Amino acid sequence: EAGVAQSPRYKIIEKRQSVAFWCNPISGHATLYWYQQILGQGPKLLIQFQNNGVVDDSQLPKDRFSAERLKGVDSTLKIQPAKLEDSAVYLCASRRTGSTDTQYFGPGTRLTVL
Amino acid sequence: QKEVEQDPGPLSVPEGAIVSLNCTYSNSAFQYFMWYRQYSRKGPELLMYTYSSGNKEDGRFTAQVDKSSKYISLFIRDSQPSDSATYLCALRDNFNKFYFGSGTKLNVKP
Repeated sequence: EAGVAQSPRYKIIEKRQSVAFWCNPISGHATLYWYQQILGQGPKLLIQFQNNGVVDDSQLPKDRFSAERLKGVDSTLKIQPAKLEDSAVYLCASRRTGSTDTQYFGPGTRLTVL
Repeated sequence: QKEVEQDPGPLSVPEGAIVSLNCTYSNSAFQYFMWYRQYSRKGPELLMYTYSSGNKEDGRFTAQVDKSSKYISLFIRDSQPSDSATYLCALRDNFNKFYFGSGTKLNVKP
């Protein structure tokens, strides 16, 4: 079974520029999560999708971050405009919908904002 | 108060030592408990997953959950240099939302 795929793996941008990240979850996984992991900290949930609907985006900075999951499969996370404090690793994870199922992570995208 | 508290370490042990990693949590609604291992510049990798109090063993790893004390532990027996990584505890609520500890950095010296 293929794992969660993410691209790009690394991205360096100037502040105020925009950037987009892509995630392809494990086949058949209805739930998809985007996390932000700042160096030395645990992952922080940004947004949770169930199929193509948003379940939780309470910690997504909506003035600059947006995410979509068209057709309930792939997802993109966008930042526009980026700030210095957005430098972090952006992790995508997916999960089946069984009550005992847990989530599996992709390799992440490391963003550096200069 | 954070939902999940985890000692950030770093923890440095000699090869072959028994390692104990711990997390405490505040919300008794958490029913699912996980440990992830994260190597540098990699995504977290699921190590252990349990949803009941007590112990669960997998090879050199034992996960322990004490719901009455809101305390979870991961024990690593006969630690190896390849175990050097950051270990993240994670808890899941009934809305399928996951809460992570800050991670404990472990270094196993040869």
